[in-house]
Amino acid sequence: AQKITQTQPGMFVQEKEAVTLDCTYDTSDPSYGLFWYKQPSSGEMIFLIYQGSYDQQNATEGRYSLNFQKARKSANLVISASQLGDSAMYFCAMREGRGSGGSNYKLTFGKGTLLTVNP
Amino acid sequence: DTGVSQDPRHKITKRGQNVTFRCDPISEHNRLYWYRQTLGQGPEFLTYFQNEAQLEKSRLLSDRFSAERPKGSFSTLEIQRTEQGDSAMYLCASSSRPFGGETQYFGPGTRLLVL
Repeated sequence: AQKITQTQPGMFVQEKEAVTLDCTYDTSDPSYGLFWYKQPSSGEMIFLIYQGSYDQQNATEGRYSLNFQKARKSANLVISASQLGDSAMYFCAMREGRGSGGSNYKLTFGKGTLLTVNP
Repeated sequence: DTGVSQDPRHKITKRGQNVTFRCDPISEHNRLYWYRQTLGQGPEFLTYFQNEAQLEKSRLLSDRFSAERPKGSFSTLEIQRTEQGDSAMYLCASSSRPFGGETQYFGPGTRLLVL
């Protein structure tokens, strides 16, 4: 089974409007972290926002917020007031476990959503 | 610029040649990762270092691939006898505790094309 599922291959939004990018995850580990990254056409992965499985509040970073619904295993990214520069691929990723000691901190990524912001 | 850097940014090679990529992590980060990203996919984990120790390798990392991180600083990823299927973006990331859930910060990547 896919550990990270992003069901929207592409999304369109008008400039200045809000958009939600979907992400569902699958893990049996009670401790995990969820991340969103932006990848412009240049290729670099840019960290946007992080949510820990034990965090009580939804994470926010400027215009980005994460709608974390633990029981539904979803971690949707909300971008408010879209800008033309937001056009890019967006990836949801998960790190399972606390990663203590020599444990692996590797990320598992979804296939991404291509967001296009129209003027 | 104190971010993760990778060199070269682009590499074109012929099938059968060896290639080596370099990654310089953020200076205080003790963990370093290599990922591979093919067209239309998210990055896939290849290997992971904590300081100079290589703690895990993915099954994706065939015996033609080798990675090192001498002295726990920069890392190199070498591909021997390249194949066309090795064409991909190779991404390096680094991280450290204690904040932000061990956020990994990525470099700009090396795009490899094997002809």
